Amino acid sequence: EVQLVESGGTLGQPGGSLRLSCAASGFTFSASAMTWARQAPGKGLEWVSSISGGDSTYYADSVKGRFTISRDNSKNTLYLQMNTLRVEDTAIYYCAKFRGSVVTAISDWGQGTLVTVSS
Amino acid sequence: DIQMTQSPSSLSASVGDRVTITCRASQDISNYLAWYQQKPGKVPKLLIYAAATLQAGVSSRFSGTGSGTDFTLTISSLETEDVATYYCQKYKNVPLTFGGGTKVEI
Repeated sequence: EVQLVESGGTLGQPGGSLRLSCAASGFTFSASAMTWARQAPGKGLEWVSSISGGDSTYYADSVKGRFTISRDNSKNTLYLQMNTLRVEDTAIYYCAKFRGSVVTAISDWGQGTLVTVSS
Repeated sequence: DIQMTQSPSSLSASVGDRVTITCRASQDISNYLAWYQQKPGKVPKLLIYAAATLQAGVSSRFSGTGSGTDFTLTISSLETEDVATYYCQKYKNVPLTFGGGTKVEI
């Protein structure tokens, strides 16, 4: 069974930094493309960033240059380094797995971790 | 960037009704489209990928059609457990844009 468990969500300051982690199990993590998506309170889904099985990375324009996605295949863990935080980054952040090793439909989602950016 | 427009934004239907949700892409995305269901307070769930392929374990009441720019998600006979917000998402290329969502109520 695929399990994705996010952590690291907390209250952050505008201009500050946070790092989210996602512990993965139940599948071959190193071969899987992974992604982060977010959902602001009461709003729709927004794609944030993805990393392929070959470590190619992709970012939404809204986070490009501020967020960095990475993975540690030895720890089966996905990360999202969030720098220069903005109030509009406030959202539930979901770690998710694509159906294969490339960016495609999202087959599995974690429960999410809440990031609140406020002074 | 390709925009994804869903309609309607919300709908109310009766148990047993046939419900149709549409998603329109601003450019041709072939069949690189997925549909997700998000029940209140829950995480999204993949229903359909490649525009028309039912994800394993998903009820056959759900079906998807379309190619190019126009896509449809149909619930053949609405049940109370189908109360949720439904999102389309294109994945032909990045950014992986979601539609704005369609809230389905009974």
